[in-house]
Amino acid sequence: DVKVTQSSRYLVKRTGEKVFLECVQDMDHENMFWYRQDPGLGLRLIYFSYDVKMKEKGDIPEGYSVSREKKERFSLILESASTNQTSMYLCASIAFSGQPQHFGDGTRLSIL
Amino acid sequence: AQSVTQPDIHITVSEGASLELRCNYSYGATPYLFWYVQSPGQGLQLLLKYFSGDTLVQGIKGFEAEFKRSQSSFNLRKPSVHWSDAAEYFCAVGANTGNQFYFGTGTSLTVIP
Repeated sequence: DVKVTQSSRYLVKRTGEKVFLECVQDMDHENMFWYRQDPGLGLRLIYFSYDVKMKEKGDIPEGYSVSREKKERFSLILESASTNQTSMYLCASIAFSGQPQHFGDGTRLSIL
Repeated sequence: AQSVTQPDIHITVSEGASLELRCNYSYGATPYLFWYVQSPGQGLQLLLKYFSGDTLVQGIKGFEAEFKRSQSSFNLRKPSVHWSDAAEYFCAVGANTGNQFYFGTGTSLTVIP
């Protein structure tokens, strides 16, 4: 069974801090994704990666960056955290087109 | 443009009653279709998926969904709801080129005794 692990379930940071959210998958998937989830807005794609060191912007990339140095790990970076980035962040991976995305348990991030 | 619509933001049903959650999609080709469930504070768990073939698909926890091409719909059903089914449900379309998914905004299900 695919396992997608997000490093923190809950995280509290301060405005202006640089924040790292880590995601690791154990199934050698090529493709990984970062979403944010807000009430009434569903899941919105921030960034995705289809290979090591490759990345593509999603629908809401502003204020975020990503890093994929190894195939199993995909990191989301908030360069200078702001209160409007308080949200639930979900990581997912997929083997190839047509397969389901597999999700981590999410990180609930609060920016004070 | 690809999109997924879940017209019902919130649904309340009695335990033991039947359930239908609606999902409509817009996609230029035959889509891959998915339903996910999210319990509070958790990630998304796959309930079922449709790729091709039989338009009625069975999933986990007693759920099923029917793909209707003519109506661009993929509604989720369960004949008898249990209190543990209370959760948020998301419908998603997977592109058949590339790997992006398009999610609906979700339907929150409340189950009353």
